[in-house]
Amino acid sequence: SAVISQKPSRDICQRGTSLTIQCQVDSQVTMMFWYRQQPGQSLTLIATANQGSEATYESGFVIDKFPISRPNLTFSTLTVSNMSPEDSSIYLCSVDRGSEQYFGPGTRLTVT
Amino acid sequence: QKEVEQNSGPLSVPEGAIASLNCTYSDRGSQSFFWYRQYSGKSPELIMFIYSNGDKEDGRFTAQLNKASQYVSLLIRDSQPSDSATYLCAVNGRGSQGNLIFGKGTKLSVKP
Repeated sequence: SAVISQKPSRDICQRGTSLTIQCQVDSQVTMMFWYRQQPGQSLTLIATANQGSEATYESGFVIDKFPISRPNLTFSTLTVSNMSPEDSSIYLCSVDRGSEQYFGPGTRLTVT
Repeated sequence: QKEVEQNSGPLSVPEGAIASLNCTYSDRGSQSFFWYRQYSGKSPELIMFIYSNGDKEDGRFTAQLNKASQYVSLLIRDSQPSDSATYLCAVNGRGSQGNLIFGKGTKLSVKP
């Protein structure tokens, strides 16, 4: 398995502001993934973050709204920019270990 | 568009019974199939993965895969109240790693 931590665990933010979420893994991984889980919904992949290259975004997600950093093989950040109430979700990072994918504890974001 | 379908439930079973959770997927090229358990307010936890047609057993859990029918299922034997959770089916998307596509999940309730 993998030990993954995220900060913050939750936050309440005002519309128009930005929040940066941090994800730390206990050992080096090639790819890290950022997902969103809106209330009552399943998980949707936002982007894949490789160390040393630009993140790859899924359809419907853009870099200006969700900039991602991947400075090394154990850490990544996701920023939710210019937030609106529709961004209220749980944001989860995940990593691959062999064939298995593990999730961090998530960041619960509420935008007012 | 690649899709993963699950019956949202809730599925209610008595304690000690077998719970059967089903999932269909649209992409015939999918190669890896995962079952996650998600307790309310928690992040998804990987409980089973399967790649080959047939059954895979792990304790009280059995995953079944039929690629011809594009169907994967999870059986939980001797269901316990602690198994009450939402079960998410996921299949691999683009590439050979990550990019999981999730179903909306089936909520299971095990009654004492």
